[in-house]
Amino acid sequence: AQSVTQLDSQVPVFEEAPVELRCNYSSSVSVYLFWYVQYPNQGLQLLLKYLSGSTLVKGINGFEAEFNKSQTSFHLRKPSVHISDTAEYFCAVSTQGGSEKLVFGKGTKLTVNP
Amino acid sequence: DAGITQSPRHKVTETGTPVTLRCHQTENHRYMYWYRQDPGHGLRLIHYSYGVKDTDKGEVSDGYSVSRSKTEDFLLTLESATSSQTSVYFCAISTGQYNSPLHFGNGTRLTVT
Repeated sequence: AQSVTQLDSQVPVFEEAPVELRCNYSSSVSVYLFWYVQYPNQGLQLLLKYLSGSTLVKGINGFEAEFNKSQTSFHLRKPSVHISDTAEYFCAVSTQGGSEKLVFGKGTKLTVNP
Repeated sequence: DAGITQSPRHKVTETGTPVTLRCHQTENHRYMYWYRQDPGHGLRLIHYSYGVKDTDKGEVSDGYSVSRSKTEDFLLTLESATSSQTSVYFCAISTGQYNSPLHFGNGTRLTVT
């Protein structure tokens, strides 16, 4: 079975600084990877996804992630964060294509300070 | 935003009472899901549905039942609520097509006292 590890539970950064949120997965077969964002008192929404093809994936709000098969990682990055990026970010992995097989990480809370 | 409405948004109930949470969608999506979110656990799948009257268990289904009598409605029932079921519950929908994204409702915060 697949699993997801988000290495940092909380990441504080200053506004306009770069940020990287780390995600590692465990699977013996091909994977499909996702990042979701949850703003306070809201549900999750999709930031970006990797299914196949280019390992660098661009998402909404200036975020991007890079799939690294050899390191089994899918880290999320943004070169310059805004206060409005304060939210919780979830990495998720699926190996069988169906959303019912999606496994979520425990989340990383990003706090952007002025 | 995907048309997903969860009701109620907040509920406080006592141990041992039955509770039903409702998810209503206006997108005509085939798949619907119930997740619970707890600090330190992320999201865990409780039950899901792949069509009217077609449901299956997720990772943490014990103590929960679901029903889907119409495409647009997916009900989650706690037959006899326990304090361990205090959580935030999210409904999600998807088309069911290959790796289609999940669209989430805004959640129901349930407190069992």
